[in-house]
Formats: sequence, structure tokens, C-alpha cells
Amino acid sequence: DGGITQSPKYLFRKEGQNVTLSCEQNLNHDAMYWYRQDPGQGLRLIYYSQIVNDFQKGDIAEGYSVSREKKESFPLTVTSAQKNPTAFYLCASSSGQVPQAVYGYTFGSGTRLTVV
Amino acid sequence: LAKTTQPISMDSYEGQEVNITCSHNNIATNDYITWYQQFPSQGPRFIIQGYKTKVTNEVASLFIPADRKSSTLSLPRVSLSDTAVYYCLVGRGSQGNLIFGKGTKLSVKP
Repeated sequence: DGGITQSPKYLFRKEGQNVTLSCEQNLNHDAMYWYRQDPGQGLRLIYYSQIVNDFQKGDIAEGYSVSREKKESFPLTVTSAQKNPTAFYLCASSSGQVPQAVYGYTFGSGTRLTVV
Repeated sequence: LAKTTQPISMDSYEGQEVNITCSHNNIATNDYITWYQQFPSQGPRFIIQGYKTKVTNEVASLFIPADRKSSTLSLPRVSLSDTAVYYCLVGRGSQGNLIFGKGTKLSVKP
């Protein structure tokens, strides 16, 4: 079955450490996204990529970095510059070709990051 | 991008029909209306999408009046497993991303 796989499901980070969250999709989607969700809040866009080797900052990119070396992979690194990284992180992908309909927009199951 | 307004929370009992209304006064001509469901510690899941009038699938119905300034998600005969947060989305952001508000937290009681 096609889908998006995020790993790990739970991640603990010490102060000052960088950590990388994995996101892999086998849907052959061009576009991939990273969102952050805080308790009781909606999702906020961190980074997005419409094509391999290209990515753009979203609304809250500070303290995060990404790469898109392969179409199916879009890892997110939470750096030590991110002062409040404890949150639920969601990866999504989209066919990117349909401007309005969202049938091709799929989310992963998320990674919960906690700073200890 | 059209902003959406929906109730913060709703309570219901098993077997009842639940209607969640979303207001989107500034909806653009080419914007679709989409609803997502999210369970705790999971990614959002697509429920239904529509442009105008009524759309029905095996999970829910979506009612959209002629002026398209609001929409109502209808869940027939809810069960405890329908307890979740429901998001109303209109259109997409400039990056093709979906823009989520805080959603409506639906609690279904026995």
C-alpha cells in the first residue's frame, strides 16, 4: 500500500542537540511538507518542497533545516537553534498537480519530539 | 486565503447526528471546502470535500449553501470512535499547503 512513513514515532532530545526526523513516501508525489502542531492548536507549516533538490521556508522555519535529495524522502532536522522544539511533527505529501482538490494530499502518522 | 471559523468544541451522544458548521465569508470563486479528522497523536485524515450544494460519502455529508459563505459537516449516528478534532479548510496556501485552524473538538459520550 502507498503511504507516508514517519520515524521515529517518539523522540527525545537533550538541550543543544540536533535531531533528524525521517519522512518517506512511496506515492510518487512531487510535493512534500513539514508541519508542526502544538497542543490544542492547528498545524503550522515549517518547510515545503515542490521538487527534488528544491525547498522553501514556511511560516516557522527558524531553527529547522531540510533536504530533498530524493523524491521519496524529505528529512527534517531540528537544530539547537530551535528554542522550543517540543511538539508533534507531521509530514505530508501531495501530487502538486491539482490546484484545489486535495485527494492526493496525505499525512504521515507523526513524530512526537520532547526535549529532556 | 479565506479564513475559517468553527466552534472550539461540541459534545454529543452515541447514535446522534452531529452537525459542525464552518464560516468562511471570504471564500474565493475557485476554492474548495475540505474537512479533515484528526485523532490524538495521528495525522489528519481526509473526510470529505465539496464545492457547492451537497456531497455525501460513506462517512459524512457536506452541505454548502448557494452563497458558499459557510458549510456544514454532518456525521450520522456518531459512535465513541468519532471523538476527534475536525478541521474545516478552504482553498490552499500560496505554497500549495493546507492551512489549518484550531478545529472543532468533538466528544462523543456513551
